[in-house]
Amino acid sequence: QKEVEQDPGPLSVPEGAIVSLNCTYSNSAFQYFMWYRQYSRKGPELLMYTYSSGNKEDGRFTAQVDKSSKYISLFIRDSQPSDSATYLCAMRDIIQGAQKLVFGQGTRLTINP
Amino acid sequence: DVKVTQSSRYLVKRTGEKVFLECVQDMDHENMFWYRQDPGLGLRLIYFSYDVKMKEKGDIPEGYSVSREKKERFSLILESASTNQTSMYLCASSLKRTSGLGRGYEQYFGPGTRLTVT
Repeated sequence: QKEVEQDPGPLSVPEGAIVSLNCTYSNSAFQYFMWYRQYSRKGPELLMYTYSSGNKEDGRFTAQVDKSSKYISLFIRDSQPSDSATYLCAMRDIIQGAQKLVFGQGTRLTINP
Repeated sequence: DVKVTQSSRYLVKRTGEKVFLECVQDMDHENMFWYRQDPGLGLRLIYFSYDVKMKEKGDIPEGYSVSREKKERFSLILESASTNQTSMYLCASSLKRTSGLGRGYEQYFGPGTRLTVT
């Protein structure tokens, strides 16, 4: 069983739709949760991070964490074609003092104009 | 701006060749990482380093080795390339923080090297 599970999609929605991307995890020691966005032929870039249960909002994006259920989500409101990318959830682990990140499989999202 | 650069965007090698992938970061980060990315499998950690000349195995180190002689440079070596090592290879770096919160845990990624082994 993977430590982090993410539906790989692909997910295709019309412009303006609300998008929900989800990850579950098994390690209750994970404390820090991130969402990365990866455009085609580019490396991933950090989109949002949070470290507590609840919601964190940044513009059209909302990151939600439910530690009791070991479940995190990313919501995108008023989705735009420029949001088309692969979204990866990631969680922090610590090994030998280095912040190792454990990634989900990534969800490929397409927003259709 | 943090910049992580990788020596090649695309690379084609033959089975059995020794392959070097180079990564350089310009933000004085202590930690550096090598991942491979495959469809349906996400990012898998190959090796990481938290200091010069230090290296630690990640989740899939078999068939790979690394070298970190300078803080800004982290090299991934495929001693004898095989077709199952055809993949996208991503390098990343981050600050060394063992406590506290905030964006300091962020890993900054390079653009990736698409390696094909034939």
